[in-house]
Amino acid sequence: ETGVTQTPRHLVMGMTNKKSLKCEQHLGHNAMYWYKQSAKKPLELMFVYNFKEQTENNSVPSRFSPECPNSSHLFLHLHTLQPEDSALYLCASSRTSGGSSSYNEQFFGPGTRLTVL
Amino acid sequence: AQKITQTQPGMFVQEKEAVTLDCTYDTSDPSYGLFWYKQPSSGEMIFLIYQGSYDQQNATEGRYSLNFQKARKSANLVISASQLGDSAMYFCAMRRSQGAQKLVFGQGTRLTINP
Repeated sequence: ETGVTQTPRHLVMGMTNKKSLKCEQHLGHNAMYWYKQSAKKPLELMFVYNFKEQTENNSVPSRFSPECPNSSHLFLHLHTLQPEDSALYLCASSRTSGGSSSYNEQFFGPGTRLTVL
Repeated sequence: AQKITQTQPGMFVQEKEAVTLDCTYDTSDPSYGLFWYKQPSSGEMIFLIYQGSYDQQNATEGRYSLNFQKARKSANLVISASQLGDSAMYFCAMRRSQGAQKLVFGQGTRLTINP
């Protein structure tokens, strides 16, 4: 596999369920990201990890719990979600910052479409 | 705070015509980067083009070019010779500087190419 993969692609869960989203990147990057894309709202950054360490939490509710066991894998653990959490959750990866001529553009996965009932 | 504004929720263009997607931004940072991404119906965001705030020339990548007007704080995407496969959502995004990682996105423009 190449690029950034995400599983599952679609997920329907009840408010009392616990589920996890998985992201894997095959690009040799050291930074990984979780984004939330809700209908009619701009893409929102949730978490940033650099070299497995969380470097940014964009005021995300604790019902979303990220985990980064290594530079290639990123998880988002979900529990007691609300219907307003229904959205497309996108994972991305990039090289870590550095290099004056480097774009360090982020490469995105296809997303997990989450519906909370 | 940084902000990206895309004022065109939707655009319809005939195949083979050129199209310009508008993007204006607001920042007080002297150094920043601007990105355009394409999001087809499949969901993934595809990087198209990058413009650094200190770049002297407008960025170009194949059929994509960026009309960067720094004084007006605009970074419009121009797609030449549009194709049916260009139909998608297009997002403009900004990053504070080369060393930053947080991307701020606009609300997007849905482009539809008609045959």
